[in-house]
Parts: sequence; C-alpha cells; structure tokens
Amino acid sequence: QKEVEQNSGPLSVPEGAIASLNCTYSDRGSQSFFWYRQYSGKSPELIMFIYSNGDKEDGRFTAQLNKASQYVSLLIRDSQPSDSATYLCAVNGAAAGNKLTFGGGTRVLVKP
Amino acid sequence: EAQVTQNPRYLITVTGKKLTVTCSQNMNHEYMSWYRQDPGLGLRQIYYSMNVEVTDKGDVPEGYKVSRKEKRNFPLILESPSPNQTSLYFCASSSSPYGYTFGSGTRLTVV
Repeated sequence: QKEVEQNSGPLSVPEGAIASLNCTYSDRGSQSFFWYRQYSGKSPELIMFIYSNGDKEDGRFTAQLNKASQYVSLLIRDSQPSDSATYLCAVNGAAAGNKLTFGGGTRVLVKP
Repeated sequence: EAQVTQNPRYLITVTGKKLTVTCSQNMNHEYMSWYRQDPGLGLRQIYYSMNVEVTDKGDVPEGYKVSRKEKRNFPLILESPSPNQTSLYFCASSSSPYGYTFGSGTRLTVV
C-alpha cells in the first residue's frame, strides 16, 4: 500500500465549477498536510497546508482534513483554465525530521 | 528574491562519471531536501537535512551522497551515475518541518 494515495485523473471540470481532489494516507501519526500545484515542466508550488481537523480556506481553495479517516481533500471553487495542472498531496509523517511524502498527483483539466 | 537555486538545469553525462548538482537557498532555512521525480512514481525523497552537518536518508538514497557544510548549500553527489538515475531532480528548503519551497529542477540524463 502506498503511503499517500491520489487518483491520477485526469479530472475534467468545466470552467466555473468546483474541482474536488482527494488524498488518503497510511501513517496515522502524520502531523501536517500540504497541497502543491505543479504545472507541466515546472517545479511544485505550495498552495495550501493544514494541520488540524476541519476546513481551511484560502481564496478559491479549501483544504479539508479528517485524521480519523486519514483523508485530506482540496476543493477549487470557480475553476479557471489556469488551474489546469497536477495537484500533489504531501504528508509530513510522525517520525522525526522533515520527511515529506508525496502522492502521485491528480491531473486537473479545466475546460472553457 | 527568496529562492532555491539549482545548477545545472540540464545535464547529459555518461555512466560512471562523477557529478555534482548544486543547490543553494537564500532564506536561511534549516531544512533542505532532495527529491527525484519520475513518471508514474511521483516525487520521492532522496536525502534531507535538518541543519548543518545533520543529514538523513529518504526513500531512495542508493547511489547518492549529500553534504551540508553550510546552511545555505546542499549539493547532491552522484559518485558513479547509472542510467536508472536519469530523472528530474528537485532541491527544496523549509524554515520548519512544514512546506518546502522547491528549486526549478535539474533534468539529468545518464547514457
């Protein structure tokens, strides 16, 4: 079982709709959770982080965390063509240090 | 400008010829890390460092070496590169055990 799992997609959404991305993780002691956006040929860019159960909103992005279910999600409201990218979920495990483990990413396509 | 700088951006080399990929950050971050990214395998951590002279293995450390003699620099060394190390490499840094800022990447081809 992979430590961090995501559906690879592509997730196709019409412009203006909500894109919903999911991520599950195996390390129950994981402390912090991140969402990165990666455009083709570019480096990952941090867009959201969440540490506590519940929702965290930042502009059009909302991260949701449920530690009991070992589940973290990202909602993108009012999706724009510029949101078309691969979204990477990353988890900082319970062990010491900064071992950030990434999921395989979900490719999102926003169609005008 | 706050950034993580990797060099070179592109490198083609031959099997067995030692190489170093440099990484430097100007944000005074304690944490630095190297990742490789391969199609279908995602981003995998090679090594990370929590501070000067403190390094630890990630998920795929075989065939790589690192050193952290200064806070700002974290070079990745391939003593004897092999074709299976052909990949896209990213250096990243962080001020805490939280989200990393990534460099622009180094695309390495070993023939």
